[in-house]
Amino acid sequence: EPEVTQTPSHQVTQMGQEVILRCVPISNHLYFYWYRQILGQKVEFLVSFYNNEISEKSEIFDDQFSVERPDGSNFTLKIRSTKLEDSAMYFCASATGESSYEQYFGPGTRLTVT
Amino acid sequence: GQSLEQPSEVTAVEGAIVQINCTYQTSGFYGLSWYQQHDGGAPTFLSYNALDGLEETGRFSSFLSRSDSYGYLLLQELQMKDSASYFCAVRSNGGGTNDYKLSFGAGTTVTVRA
Repeated sequence: EPEVTQTPSHQVTQMGQEVILRCVPISNHLYFYWYRQILGQKVEFLVSFYNNEISEKSEIFDDQFSVERPDGSNFTLKIRSTKLEDSAMYFCASATGESSYEQYFGPGTRLTVT
Repeated sequence: GQSLEQPSEVTAVEGAIVQINCTYQTSGFYGLSWYQQHDGGAPTFLSYNALDGLEETGRFSSFLSRSDSYGYLLLQELQMKDSASYFCAVRSNGGGTNDYKLSFGAGTTVTVRA
């Protein structure tokens, strides 16, 4: 069964450093998302991406964040200058066009900012 | 913005029935989804209601009342493997965008005891 994959599974970085989190969505999906979950808290929407552009972004997704689909398979989230409060699990998700209510989540990347 | 309310935790014995209620306030409402998450792993899709009524998928059923801004997830014949966090999530449209996002509740931790 096709699945969303994410790399790395765990990333440790120092405050102020740039990180890039990578995702490979399911191949025939058209809608892509990033969510984050701070330990013990709810899953929070960051950004949605469709047709090579951002569809919607949340208040969390400020100028320090950017997304890119550099080729036909990868979908990346970049944090330019990490802060301690960026420590969280970051989930990538994708959905088809017809049933975009069913989003398929990747296993997540645990980001630890020290 | 969106706000969702669901109980923080529920404990039940194997074979029992558990109902997790979710009330929401949102704009651009399209439907209510339910996701299961084991130990901080990837959220997995359980069900989706766009219209009023009950949707049944095996041991799990989900209900929606749009007029009451209310839904619930019903877990029947509980098994130990059902111990997990369950999130309701509102699917909404940002207005004028060709995409939808999920806004999650805080989650309900279900503990199944022998």
